[in-house]
This record gives sequence, C-alpha cells and structure tokens, in this order.
Amino acid sequence: DTGVSQDPRHKITKRGQNVTFRCDPISEHNRLYWYRQTLGQGPEFLTYFQNEAQLEKSRLLSDRFSAERPKGSFSTLEIQRTEQGDSAMYLCASSFRRSQETQYFGPGTRLLVL
Amino acid sequence: SQKIEQNSEALNIQEGKTATLTCNYTNYSPAYLQWYRQDPGRGPVFLLLIRENEKEKRKERLKVTFDTTLKQSLFHITASQPADSATYLCALETGANNLFFGTGTRLTVIP
Repeated sequence: DTGVSQDPRHKITKRGQNVTFRCDPISEHNRLYWYRQTLGQGPEFLTYFQNEAQLEKSRLLSDRFSAERPKGSFSTLEIQRTEQGDSAMYLCASSFRRSQETQYFGPGTRLLVL
Repeated sequence: SQKIEQNSEALNIQEGKTATLTCNYTNYSPAYLQWYRQDPGRGPVFLLLIRENEKEKRKERLKVTFDTTLKQSLFHITASQPADSATYLCALETGANNLFFGTGTRLTVIP
C-alpha cells in the first residue's frame, strides 16, 4: 500500500508528557498537512508544509505544538506538556504537485491524555 | 469567519433510495468544494471536487451540485447500499493552503 501512513495509530499518555507522531506521505507528494479531529467534528487545520518549508500555521497550533519536515519527505508533530484537551485524532494528509486541491489522508493517530 | 453547516448530524434511509446530504456555507466564496467519506477510526477519503463554475459533477452513483448563489452544495448517492453507511464531510478551499471542513453527516443505509 503506497498511501499516507501514520505512526503510532494509538497513543495513551499522562498529562504533562511529550508525545511525537510521524507521518509518511505519498512519495511524490510535495505538500503535507496536519489536522486535528475531535469526536463529532470535522478535521481542523493545524499546519502545512510545501517540501521542507512550513508555510502556514493555524492559531490552533499553540506554542506546545511543533511540526517538522526536515527532508521534505516524512513529517513529525510533537506536543509538549500534553493537556487533556489535546486528546483527539491527529490526521496527516498529502497532496500531489499537479493536483494540489485533493488531499489524501492517513489513518490518523488517536491520542488520549489521561 | 467561514462557517459550514451540514444538514443533519445523522440521516437514515432505506436501501435502494437516494440519499441527499446538504452543505451550506457562509462568509466565503470558495473556488471549489469537496466531499469526503470517513469511516469510524479512519481518515477521510476524497470522493468528489466541484469548482465554482461547475453546476454538477457525477461519479458512478454519486452526484454533487454547487450553487454559488445559494452558497450550497448537495451530495446525492443513488441506489444506496448498506456499504455506503459512513460520515460524509463537506470541505471548502479557503484561499490559503488548507481545507475548512464541516462537522459531517452520518449516513446509515438500512437493509
């Protein structure tokens, strides 16, 4: 399967701990997005990369959140000092350089902060 | 700020009937609108994109309309099947490089 992959699929952590999620986009896709989704809501945009450059960040992305895409391939999203309100599904998506409107989503990482 | 309303949280229909889902938006004029399907515990899957200059787009049993005057999109599934049961999300392009999603409509097709 050459779709978007995310790791881990599930993460349980205690409040105050740091967590890091990884996303591997479809290989020829130059754009990579992170979204957060809570129960009963649609995905909410967090941040976006074009190649290795982080070009946009939502105001939802507090100082405790940081994302990187060091070589323009995989990306990591780190949450420091997790809070219970960070519990959500974190979704990664990528899009193809010639058809950038359509985003292909990974299966998500479900985070539970106790 | 942008706002999207999808007609209902949940919609139940009988197998074989046509399901019609509504997406209304305010405070924006998107260049295109997309529909995604999401199954429980999975990421959204792209279904259809319709541009502002297109009135209708079809793909197999799916049809989407886009009325920029009414600021509304309708999503139809004809000859619905139990396998069509899922949450359907409407998403607008924002002029920035991301999508703005509605809360979704959970469709259940009853055999």
